[in-house]
Amino acid sequence: LAKTTQPISMDSYEGQEVNITCSHNNIATNDYITWYQQFPSQGPRFIIQGYKTKVTNEVASLFIPADRKSSTLSLPRVSLSDTAVYYCLVGDNYGQNFVFGPGTRLSVLP
Amino acid sequence: DTAVSQTPKYLVTQMGNDKSIKCEQNLGHDTMYWYKQDSKKFLKIMFSYNNKELIINETVPNRFSPKSPDKAHLNLHINSLELGDSAVYFCASSYTNPGELFFGEGSRLTVL
Repeated sequence: LAKTTQPISMDSYEGQEVNITCSHNNIATNDYITWYQQFPSQGPRFIIQGYKTKVTNEVASLFIPADRKSSTLSLPRVSLSDTAVYYCLVGDNYGQNFVFGPGTRLSVLP
Repeated sequence: DTAVSQTPKYLVTQMGNDKSIKCEQNLGHDTMYWYKQDSKKFLKIMFSYNNKELIINETVPNRFSPKSPDKAHLNLHINSLELGDSAVYFCASSYTNPGELFFGEGSRLTVL
């Protein structure tokens, strides 16, 4: 299973764009990259998933370079309610293989 | 309508007791999971289960056992509770080839 490395924590201010990078040097050909968000006292919630290049939805964008050894979650114009832990997962899309790392604790300040 | 629901949300019990946490999903998914989140906030998969296969994380003690009466339910039974079992337990569900896991709100277990 591919191991991921993310910053432990990040601070940002309201209205800024936040980019969280995840390293996954030993990603396999069949692996997807998935990001989850977790608020205190809640279960993780799916944000976005991609395989290569760029994926965008109503919440975030995911940038994946050609070598796929890293990925960047981009949150546009964050608000206080985006304060949460963000997890980067790499796996072949079978649930058993989803391994959560320690995540990145994002604090959005007013 | 709650997609993945767990009960109880909080559970306080004594060492040595046996307890169960129930999970139900109304999403029509065919695979369900139990995760454990410890005090350091690491989320570790304990089990995944569908109609065909139970996959157990080898680090999970055999005091923990999943029980599935049907594909919409996956309960977690824990025998002889220990202090180290204190954690938040999350149930989740997905299709076999998920793309997305749906988590419940968690059940906080405290063993005294």
